[in-house]
Amino acid sequence: DIQMTQSPSTLSASVGDRVTITCRASQSISSWLAWYQQKPGKAPKLLIYKASSLESGVPSRFSGSGSGTEFTLTISSLQPDDFATYYCQQYNSYYWTFGQGTKVEIK
Amino acid sequence: EVQLVESGGGLVQPGGSLRLSCAASGFTFSSYWMSWVRQAPGKGLEWVANIKQDGSEKYYVDSVKGRFTISRDNAKNSLYLQMNSLRAEDTAVYYCARGRVEYSSSPVKYWGQGTLVTVSS
Repeated sequence: DIQMTQSPSTLSASVGDRVTITCRASQSISSWLAWYQQKPGKAPKLLIYKASSLESGVPSRFSGSGSGTEFTLTISSLQPDDFATYYCQQYNSYYWTFGQGTKVEIK
Repeated sequence: EVQLVESGGGLVQPGGSLRLSCAASGFTFSSYWMSWVRQAPGKGLEWVANIKQDGSEKYYVDSVKGRFTISRDNAKNSLYLQMNSLRAEDTAVYYCARGRVEYSSSPVKYWGQGTLVTVSS
């Protein structure tokens, strides 16, 4: 099974900060990686697919990069609406796995 | 508008069974892989199962293999999850999920509202 490890688990930041979240895969997944945002009590929202493709309607301050085993999600200028938990997910095979999540908190 | 509406959650004793349903609308159901994803209270997301458009391929996370069965009825635009031999660790909100593109397994674009399954005596 492919394991996904996110870091950090929690991140404290201020509005306007540049924020980076890392996701590592236990084996190469090419670019088959997605990023989601989840707010309390809500279903997740797809932000990025295929490592760096921005989902329609998602603000351009979100970007993704990486391939193989190391990936990053960057928020260029953190906005009040961005305080949430973020998950990476690999879909290299039909057996999906999610990272454990990164909670972005207000500093 | 794409809609996924789950039902069937509730309280069940350890060892019991439950069948979740997901009613899909607003898209050609038979063209998409479908999935179940769960989230235990206060925990992260966990993929549970995937099913191909025609039901010919099914994939499960190891922790539910042999206990859960994913199925679909394309004539009724419905997805199901039969859960047997339930354990306390199966307690979670279960989401019905659809990928972003047709005819391939792809990241989840649409989610249902979730249905809570609680396994407790």
